[in-house]
Amino acid sequence: DAKTTQPPSMDCAEGRAANLPCNHSTISGNEYVYWYRQIHSQGPQYIIHGLKNNETNEMASLIITEDRKSSTLILPHATLRDTAVYYCIVLGGGNQGGKLIFGQGTELSVKP
Amino acid sequence: ETGVTQTPRHLVMGMTNKKSLKCEQHLGHNAMYWYKQSAKKPLELMFVYNFKEQTENNSVPSRFSPECPNSSHLFLHLHTLQPEDSALYLCASSQPQGRGYTFGSGTRLTVV
Repeated sequence: DAKTTQPPSMDCAEGRAANLPCNHSTISGNEYVYWYRQIHSQGPQYIIHGLKNNETNEMASLIITEDRKSSTLILPHATLRDTAVYYCIVLGGGNQGGKLIFGQGTELSVKP
Repeated sequence: ETGVTQTPRHLVMGMTNKKSLKCEQHLGHNAMYWYKQSAKKPLELMFVYNFKEQTENNSVPSRFSPECPNSSHLFLHLHTLQPEDSALYLCASSQPQGRGYTFGSGTRLTVV
């Protein structure tokens, strides 16, 4: 599975959009981009995933560049409860599937 | 509740004790996983089970012994642990090929 690179930490003001970048320059054609987050000492929580089209759900939006080498997770109106470590993970699709392997992630601090 | 239940939530054990961690899911998933998260470190994948069969052991010491009696239950048997084994132990399940990962809330283990 492709490796990902994320900034170690970011700050965001409450109510503003949080934009979390991820680089995955070695991603293969059938690999998906997944985002999870982990609030302190809890289990990771699924946020969103995508292959090449932009995706949106009730939690966030995922913007994937046309060459698929990077993506951005957008939390449109960050709240204090969005303070967490956010993980960008590339996972094989189709019949490959794969194991979730976690990197260091981005520690997002939402401040009042 | 995520659909993956881990018990106990907290466990303190001596180095000579034997204890077991339990994970249960009724999501219809056929893959189950144990992860370890030490302080300030990313999650480390320990074991993978697919359809009750162990398909991966990431060089985990033999003092950790997993058991998967059926697709809904996963155990981690612990014996003669070391203080450095103190960590958050997380269980996860997924559909075949790694889709739809869901994590439990974890067991916070302290070895004294």
